[in-house]
Amino acid sequence: DSGVTQTPKHLITATGQRVTLRCSPRSGDLSVYWYQQSLDQGLQFLIQYYNGEERAKGNILERFSAQQFPDLHSELNLSSLELGDSALYFCASSVWGGLAGEETQYFGPGTRLLVL
Amino acid sequence: GEDVEQSLFLSVREGDSSVINCTYTDSSSTYLYWYKQEPGAGLQLLTYIFSNMDMKQDQRLTVLLNKKDKHLSLRIADTQTGDSAIYFCAESMGNFNKFYFGSGTKLNVKP
Repeated sequence: DSGVTQTPKHLITATGQRVTLRCSPRSGDLSVYWYQQSLDQGLQFLIQYYNGEERAKGNILERFSAQQFPDLHSELNLSSLELGDSALYFCASSVWGGLAGEETQYFGPGTRLLVL
Repeated sequence: GEDVEQSLFLSVREGDSSVINCTYTDSSSTYLYWYKQEPGAGLQLLTYIFSNMDMKQDQRLTVLLNKKDKHLSLRIADTQTGDSAIYFCAESMGNFNKFYFGSGTKLNVKP
């Protein structure tokens, strides 16, 4: 158990709909990353937040948005869903400052989204 | 820093050593990581290496870094069936920068 929680575990919806995925980082972690894992695209970085502010953007579609709240939990909003959005969505939280000053990411179990 | 490449599959016999390879393109990468993903689970950090190191050993795991060739490898000694999983390498410049992941290598351990 990484300490990162994601809800829901599974989500089935229809094309054109909108869903919200939720992530609670490990206690004390300020940074949250969102990733999409699909069979054909592998693990794709979507977006990163640090202490409520957007820090970095990856391959995130305009139909997708995210935010990080004052309590540090984060939500990923996916709208106008298409069949190709079916994937496993992971969030990870990170902590800075190991022995070498490295950043370590801890992944949640993921939300499996199926768009029909 | 977006090109991290791995071979897709590796099959070994139980008890043999496994070597999973990864190449990256961003020479400014500071930290290099290996993650393991078991079926239906999230990614689990196995080990990492700082870019000024050549080698790191952690029990059955040995990470080798050739910074000149931008080549990273993960050796698993005495591979067990429980090691069957997908292994991802990742690079980061640190300081809460982006992480770039490879496509993952599926390790199959035959009894």
